Amino acid sequence: KQEVTQIPAALSVPEGENLVLNCSFTDSAIYNLQWFRQDPGKGLTSLLLIQSSQREQTSGRLNASLDKSSGRSTLYIAASQPGDSATYLCAVNTNAGKSTFGDGTTLTVKP
Amino acid sequence: SQTIHQWPATLVQPVGSPLSLECTVEGTSNPNLYWYRQAAGRGLQLLFYSVGIGQISSEVPQNLSASRPQDRQFILSSKKLLLSDSGFYLCAWSRDSAGELFFGEGSRLTVL
Repeated sequence: KQEVTQIPAALSVPEGENLVLNCSFTDSAIYNLQWFRQDPGKGLTSLLLIQSSQREQTSGRLNASLDKSSGRSTLYIAASQPGDSATYLCAVNTNAGKSTFGDGTTLTVKP
Repeated sequence: SQTIHQWPATLVQPVGSPLSLECTVEGTSNPNLYWYRQAAGRGLQLLFYSVGIGQISSEVPQNLSASRPQDRQFILSSKKLLLSDSGFYLCAWSRDSAGELFFGEGSRLTVL
């Protein structure tokens, strides 16, 4: 059974800092890994999707990496802004579209 | 472009009452459809998924059921709600089993 862990559970940083969020998973036989952002009381917004054959994906200030052999993914956020404050979730797709989610990292960026 | 709509956004129901949450996807055909539940401060738990009309797979034994009466419509139901059914329910779709997941805005259910 796939297990997904996100560390840290919460993170507070000053504006402008670069930061890394971590996601680890136990079963390396994955289809893909996806990072999401969730604002309080809202649905999930897809940030980046990394297919199993890929090593990384980039979108603007976001860069996500995938290392299947070690069961790890990182989400790098450059030059953080207060608007980046949200909960970030990673989801690992290991079984025909049925994804397992981590509990998320709640990020606060202070102005 | 594709969009996903989910309603109602908020629902307060007494214990023992029925439930119907609806989700529709526009701009695509034959999507995979999913219902997830999110407990407070936690990740998402997959409840049901569907790869086609009338095809429903349940992931967790529970008081809920799902139906897919049309290609782009997914409904989450209960005949009699329990207190433990309270939570944030999210509908999602993907093009196929290896595709990107897209979520609706969620429905917050409170059972009193």
